Amino acid sequence: EPEVTQTPSHQVTQMGQEVILRCVPISNHLYFYWYRQILGQKVEFLVSFYNNEISEKSEIFDDQFSVERPDGSNFTLKIRSTKLEDSAMYFCASTKTGLPVREQFFGPGTRLTVL
Amino acid sequence: GQSLEQPSEVTAVEGAIVQINCTYQTSGFYGLSWYQQHDGGAPTFLSYNALDGLEETGRFSSFLSRSDSYGYLLLQELQMKDSASYFCAVRASGGSYIPTFGRGTSLIVHP
Repeated sequence: EPEVTQTPSHQVTQMGQEVILRCVPISNHLYFYWYRQILGQKVEFLVSFYNNEISEKSEIFDDQFSVERPDGSNFTLKIRSTKLEDSAMYFCASTKTGLPVREQFFGPGTRLTVL
Repeated sequence: GQSLEQPSEVTAVEGAIVQINCTYQTSGFYGLSWYQQHDGGAPTFLSYNALDGLEETGRFSSFLSRSDSYGYLLLQELQMKDSASYFCAVRASGGSYIPTFGRGTSLIVHP
């Protein structure tokens, strides 16, 4: 069964450093998303991406964040200068239909720890 | 804005039936979905309701009442592996396509 994959599974970085989180969405899906989940809290939307551009973004997704689809398969989230409060689980998700409330497929997540 | 309320924790025994409630407040309504998340794992889609009534998928069912802004997830014949967090998510009509997630209900299944 096709699945969303993410690398790395765990990333440790120093405050102020740049990190890039990578995702490979399901191959025939067209809509891609990044979410984050701080330990013990709810899943929060960061950004959605379609047709090589951002469709929506939340207040969390400030100038420190960027997304890119550098080739036909990867979808990346970059945090330019990490802060302690960026420590969280980051999930990539994809859908075929652009209606994520109906169904979306999440990757296993990248646990980001900022020291 | 949108807000959702779920109980923080529910406990039950193996073989029992448990209901996890979700009430929501939105400026409009498009649909309510449910996700399961095991500790350290990714959210997994369980069900989606756009219309009133009950949707059944195996041991899991989901109910929606739009007039009451209320839904629930019903888990039958509970198994130990059902111990997980369950999130409801709602999308308001118009504007954003992105669902807002509730804080999640931790279900603990005892033998």
